[in-house]
Amino acid sequence: QQQVKQSPQSLIVQKGGIPIINCAYENTAFDYFPWYQQFPGKGPALLIAIRPDVSEKKEGRFTISFNKSAKQFSLHIMDSQPGDSATYFCAASMRGATNKLIFGTGTLLAVQP
Amino acid sequence: EAGVTQFPSHSVIEKGQTVTLRCDPISGHDNLYWYRRVMGKEIKFLLHFVKESKQDESGMPNNRFLAERTGGTYSTLKVQPAELEDSGVYFCASSKQASGVTEAFFGQGTRLTVV
Repeated sequence: QQQVKQSPQSLIVQKGGIPIINCAYENTAFDYFPWYQQFPGKGPALLIAIRPDVSEKKEGRFTISFNKSAKQFSLHIMDSQPGDSATYFCAASMRGATNKLIFGTGTLLAVQP
Repeated sequence: EAGVTQFPSHSVIEKGQTVTLRCDPISGHDNLYWYRRVMGKEIKFLLHFVKESKQDESGMPNNRFLAERTGGTYSTLKVQPAELEDSGVYFCASSKQASGVTEAFFGQGTRLTVV
């Protein structure tokens, strides 16, 4: 049973476009929703994160939109650049002894010049 | 400051052999996590150490997997005997504190191929 569902699996956009990656979760106890960016040969790196008490968070060209009632959240990349080409993972966790991350399946993004 | 370091980067072993993966967390990080990504699927939690103690090992697939963190510093993950389905990328992550969510820093991963 996959607790965090991510789509699409892959995405190709032109430079300057706005790719959108969507995630849905089931467990209402989740209270932390990070996005990780992974380049080939590297480990995932935290990009941006949100808590469910806000509906949007923006950091530079990256924005998370959060819909608590629908149990969905999404990542928008404004003015995308070829250097943004990477795999993006959404994740969720809940406050507790472990704080383990539950990941989505990842989205391979290619930004064409 | 050095990041999370994993050794080896790649390992190719035959079914039935033993492999040991190593993770050196960021200095001062009490929390150490192991995750695994099987090709095309999600990154899955395996287990969590707080210092040298196993806090949660609910994600360990079976008893062929043994994780240790002697002295609360580096950690090893041993697979014995390895099976074909153990192939994947094994990630280690560390964070400063578990109470209140803090950022987890990931290593570059060990790509394990069992043939």
